[in-house]
Amino acid sequence: QVHLVESGGGLVKPGGSLRLSCAASGFTFSDYYMNWIRQAPGKGLEWVSYISGSGFIIYYADSVKGRFTVSRDNAKNSLYLQVNSLRVEDTAVYYCVRGYNGEPYYGMDLWGQGTTVTVSS
Amino acid sequence: QSALTQPASVSGSPGQSITISCTGNDSDVGSYNLVSWYQQYPGKAPKFMIYEVSKRPSGVSNRFSGSKSGNTASLTISGLQAEDEANYYCCSYAGTITSLLFGGGTKLTVL
Repeated sequence: QVHLVESGGGLVKPGGSLRLSCAASGFTFSDYYMNWIRQAPGKGLEWVSYISGSGFIIYYADSVKGRFTVSRDNAKNSLYLQVNSLRVEDTAVYYCVRGYNGEPYYGMDLWGQGTTVTVSS
Repeated sequence: QSALTQPASVSGSPGQSITISCTGNDSDVGSYNLVSWYQQYPGKAPKFMIYEVSKRPSGVSNRFSGSKSGNTASLTISGLQAEDEANYYCCSYAGTITSLLFGGGTKLTVL
């Protein structure tokens, strides 16, 4: 069964860091672009970053560029998001999401349950 | 770049049809036939409903359909059912720099 499971969220002070992880199962992980999408409390969805199956192509939203780093370990079927210099406005549920048909632009067909990041002093 | 524009809310009665619009510009919706739609229940992860403007993934009801005209994409739900009450989000590819843009979301109420 295809599955994405995020972990690593928590409560952190402004300026702090976290490493979010996503464990994939049930499909050939290295064949797929993977995305991080976030949703602030009571707000809409916001694309954060995507990474190609090889890990060589990476893009970030302007709102996180220079502070967040996406990576993947295909041997471990895992996706990561290192989030640094956190701000109150980064508070959100962070979803790990698979690109449909392996690409980032057709849509996103498989979503994890999300991990919550709360930035507060 | 700004988010795509969706109405905050729409409503309809069971059996009726409703349409949710998603307006972008020449750099996103207008440039690519790469609009997707997602359904989200409160507290749950979004569900993939439509891709490439009008295609349905396997398992999605044919009551859901998508279209596009110029810079505006639309999601139509026909034969409204109580279970369709949810939030709906559009998303468009916007080129390699901006990458992906979401709409602000539309809350559908089934009266």
